Amino acid sequence: DSGVTQTPKHLITATGQRVTLRCSPRSGDLSVYWYQQSLDQGLQFLIQYYNGEERAKGNILERFSAQQFPDLHSELNLSSLELGDSALYFCASSMSGWNTGELFFGEGSRLTVL
Amino acid sequence: GENVEQHPSTLSVQEGDSAVIKCTYSDSASNYFPWYKQELGKGPQLIIDIRSNVGEKKDQRIAVTLNKTAKHFSLHITETQPEDSAVYFCAASKGTSGTYKYIFGTGTRLKVLA
Repeated sequence: DSGVTQTPKHLITATGQRVTLRCSPRSGDLSVYWYQQSLDQGLQFLIQYYNGEERAKGNILERFSAQQFPDLHSELNLSSLELGDSALYFCASSMSGWNTGELFFGEGSRLTVL
Repeated sequence: GENVEQHPSTLSVQEGDSAVIKCTYSDSASNYFPWYKQELGKGPQLIIDIRSNVGEKKDQRIAVTLNKTAKHFSLHITETQPEDSAVYFCAASKGTSGTYKYIFGTGTRLKVLA
């Protein structure tokens, strides 16, 4: 158990809908990262937050947004969903915002868009 | 922008043989190079990492080598066992005051044949 909790584990929805994925980082970790993993694909970096502030952005679509709350949990919002958004979405956390330490990954939220 | 290439995408070895996975990175400022193992249905987990001031690091049956001049690093697994079967990801990162992207390679699916 990494200590990172992601909910929901599975989510099935229709095209055009909006969903919210939630992540609770390990106790004491200030950084939260979101990654997208499509079938047989690598880990695509979406966005990183550190202590409530956006720190880095990757290939995140404009239809996606995220935030980190004062209690350090984070939410990834996906809107106007398309079939291609079906993927496994991972949240990871680390203590440092300097990206030179271990990332602790949750078990992922599997999103299926029909 | 930053990029990490990983080869091969799949690798099959006989139990007891060695496995080598190679990665190259584009950003010469990268100074941290971790390797993650992802088992089926789980999030990735750190197995070994190396920093740019070190050329080689070993932990039991796994080792990582770094060639900063050529901008490539490799994972070596000796005496492979069936439980080593998983997807392995390399990553490159840097801890500066600029962006903080933690970029992963595309993954290598390792199969250890009994």
